[in-house]
Amino acid sequence: DGGITQSPKYLFRKEGQNVTLSCEQNLNHDAMYWYRQDPGQGLRLIYYSQIVNDFQKGDIAEGYSVSREKKESFPLTVTSAQKNPTAFYLCASSTTGGRHSNQPQHFGDGTRLSIL
Amino acid sequence: GNSVTQMEGPVTLSEEAFLTINCTYTATGYPSLFWYVQYPGEGLQLLLKATKADDKGSNKGFEATYRKETTSFHLEKGSVQVSDSAVYFCALRNAGGTSYGKLTFGQGTILTVHP
Repeated sequence: DGGITQSPKYLFRKEGQNVTLSCEQNLNHDAMYWYRQDPGQGLRLIYYSQIVNDFQKGDIAEGYSVSREKKESFPLTVTSAQKNPTAFYLCASSTTGGRHSNQPQHFGDGTRLSIL
Repeated sequence: GNSVTQMEGPVTLSEEAFLTINCTYTATGYPSLFWYVQYPGEGLQLLLKATKADDKGSNKGFEATYRKETTSFHLEKGSVQVSDSAVYFCALRNAGGTSYGKLTFGQGTILTVHP
């Protein structure tokens, strides 16, 4: 079955440590996204990528970094510069452009990051 | 810029009650509108969508109609079940302009259904 796989499901970070969240999709989607979800709030966009080797900052990119070396993969690194990283992180993907511009995003099951 | 406003929650209902979750939006152009549902500890699942004015999206007994004149996309269900307990998100996506498909989400509404 096609879908989006996020790993790990739970992740713990020590102070001053960088951690990387994995996101893989086999839907053949061009676009991929990372969102942060905090309790009682909606989703906020961290980074997005429309095509391999290209990505743009979203609304809350500070303290995060991404790469897009393969179409299927869009890992997110939470750096030590992110002072409040405890949150639920969601990865999504979608088709792009033209007649696909009204298509929904498909989401993974998320990674919950906590600080030790 | 785009924005989505959902009714404040949480919403608590008895089984078989009627559900309405209000959603209004502000956007340029002609956005597509979506309702997503999130069960505890999981990601978001698409519940229904509408891509133009007066379209009605429906799925699993849920319905929402794209009302351009009132810029609204209210979610309704005639008889809720305990299994409908979840967080519901309204979202929009511009169909014109840049085509990367950025979604704008409301803050989410927690629904709890009691037996």
